[in-house]
Amino acid sequence: AQSVTQPDIHITVSEGASLELRCNYSYGATPYLFWYVQSPGQGLQLLLKYFSGDTLVQGIKGFEAEFKRSQSSFNLRKPSVHWSDAAEYFCAVGRSYNTDKLIFGTGTRLQVFP
Amino acid sequence: EPEVTQTPSHQVTQMGQEVILRCVPISNHLYFYWYRQILGQKVEFLVSFYNNEISEKSEIFDDQFSVERPDGSNFTLKIRSTKLEDSAMYFCASSLDRANQPQHFGDGTRLSIL
Repeated sequence: AQSVTQPDIHITVSEGASLELRCNYSYGATPYLFWYVQSPGQGLQLLLKYFSGDTLVQGIKGFEAEFKRSQSSFNLRKPSVHWSDAAEYFCAVGRSYNTDKLIFGTGTRLQVFP
Repeated sequence: EPEVTQTPSHQVTQMGQEVILRCVPISNHLYFYWYRQILGQKVEFLVSFYNNEISEKSEIFDDQFSVERPDGSNFTLKIRSTKLEDSAMYFCASSLDRANQPQHFGDGTRLSIL
């Protein structure tokens, strides 16, 4: 069965520091992978997506993620975090041959200190 | 940029009552979804809808739930005889196509059952 694991429930970084949020998935074939961000009281905003091709994908707000098939990972990175990046980040996997549903991880809450 | 809009943002309902959550997907999108997020838990898939019929539903989506696209723009989720455990944030999403197209989410409706 498909599953997504985000090992870090809560991460705290200083503004300007680099960031890496971990995501591991379990999937029988090449997955479609997504990162969404949820600011307090807001919906889920798509940061970036991987369907195929280049394993390093660029997203909005300066985020990037790298698909590593050998490690079943899709970690999210940002070289320099801004205070406005404080939010909850969700990794999701989806789109097998017979389903549209997204399977979400439990999320990582990012706190940014000035 | 086109958005998925959901109304109301917050709905308070007495247990046992019926509630209808409304969504306006992005206008040229063809696939529609409902997800829910119980406080402190992960986002869970409820149902997907295409060509005026349900294409997939989860175990959560029992006879208490129904979806409808009453006109060319709205997509609704009806919950009959609400229970306390239905309290959650409900997200609507839409996508242009199944393949190679991400799901775009609305800001959600917070449903509180008293």
